[in-house]
Amino acid sequence: QKEVEQNSGPLSVPEGAIASLNCTYSDRGSQSFFWYRQYSGKSPELIMFIYSNGDKEDGRFTAQLNKASQYVSLLIRDSQPSDSATYLCAVPDRGSTLGRLYFGRGTQLTVWP
Amino acid sequence: ETGVTQTPRHLVMGMTNKKSLKCEQHLGHNAMYWYKQSAKKPLELMFVYNFKEQTENNSVPSRFSPECPNSSHLFLHLHTLQPEDSALYLCASSQGAGKLEPQHFGDGTRLSIL
Repeated sequence: QKEVEQNSGPLSVPEGAIASLNCTYSDRGSQSFFWYRQYSGKSPELIMFIYSNGDKEDGRFTAQLNKASQYVSLLIRDSQPSDSATYLCAVPDRGSTLGRLYFGRGTQLTVWP
Repeated sequence: ETGVTQTPRHLVMGMTNKKSLKCEQHLGHNAMYWYKQSAKKPLELMFVYNFKEQTENNSVPSRFSPECPNSSHLFLHLHTLQPEDSALYLCASSQGAGKLEPQHFGDGTRLSIL
């Protein structure tokens, strides 16, 4: 069983701050990672995909991948109350030729005004 | 209508009932998935269909029976469920079933077993 670990939170930050969400994974050979955002009562929504080591930026979101340390993080700059949601980290199963994803439990983020 | 649509949004059923969940995707994708999301647990993959063919069954009990008549529609037939089956059931689709294909989710069916 591949494991994806996330701090369940809740993580609470003030509006305008940087929110930092972390995810560790057990399969050292994992190559790609997804971040999903899930609002309460809604479906997970893909917000970031990262494949190579280093940083990937998309608007206020930055994903950081460190394969040597086996963690991937998501930074949200200038956090807004609308960013309050649960953030899910997902890792494809290298042993599967199909789209099997292993998800973490998610980190609940609250951005207060 | 766009995206991935699931019906019904909420379902309450007894353990002896038979019901079906429906998923429809309007994205032109070829792969579809069923996931189970329980409180305090990670999303669990149940089934994968690629080009209408079931390619993955993640050790799901036989009381859950999937059906994929075409690449746009996916059903999950339910019978004699248990209280522990109460959860949010999510459908997803992707262009293909490869590792790098992002999956797009529907809003789910909240299932409660009495």
